[in-house]
Amino acid sequence: DVKVTQSSRYLVKRTGEKVFLECVQDMDHENMFWYRQDPGLGLRLIYFSYDVKMKEKGDIPEGYSVSREKKERFSLILESASTNQTSMYLCASSSRPRGVSYNEQFFGPGTRLTVL
Amino acid sequence: AQTVTQSQPEMSVQEAETVTLSCTYDTSESDYYLFWYKQPPSRQMILVIRQEAYKQQNATENRFSVNFQKAAKSFSLKISDSQLGDAAMYFCAYRRRNSGNTPLVFGKGTRLSVIA
Repeated sequence: DVKVTQSSRYLVKRTGEKVFLECVQDMDHENMFWYRQDPGLGLRLIYFSYDVKMKEKGDIPEGYSVSREKKERFSLILESASTNQTSMYLCASSSRPRGVSYNEQFFGPGTRLTVL
Repeated sequence: AQTVTQSQPEMSVQEAETVTLSCTYDTSESDYYLFWYKQPPSRQMILVIRQEAYKQQNATENRFSVNFQKAAKSFSLKISDSQLGDAAMYFCAYRRRNSGNTPLVFGKGTRLSVIA
């Protein structure tokens, strides 16, 4: 089974702190994604990566950065956390398209971040 | 750009009854994939069912089935014999086939309650 893990289920940080959210997948997937989930807004894509050291901006990249130094690990960084970044953060991974392939995304359990 | 619309923010169903969740999408592509994901309270998001646009036959997974209407760009999810464990957020998602590493496009979700 595909396993996507996130470093913390719950996290509380203070405004201005630098925050690292870690995601690890064990299925050798090329693609990894970071979303934030807010009530009434669904899932919004922050950043994604389709290879080591590669990254692409999603719909709401402002205030975030990412790092992918190894294939299995994708980190989301809040350089200076703000209260409007209080949210649920979901990581996902998928394989690169090969022939007829759904390439569905597999999700981690989520990190609920509160910024005070 | 592709968009996915779930017009029902909340739905409820009696245990053992049938419920249908709506999803429409907007695309100019002819070849794509559609997905329904389930996110139980405080638990991981999982794939429920998927459909390839070029397949006319509606996908079925046990008590879950879809009604895929390509011309109408509609992809509804039917849950039969509803169980308490079906209570969750349900997200409809779209992905263009042969789109490289393009992420999924998600709807905003429908919260399903199951009444005992």
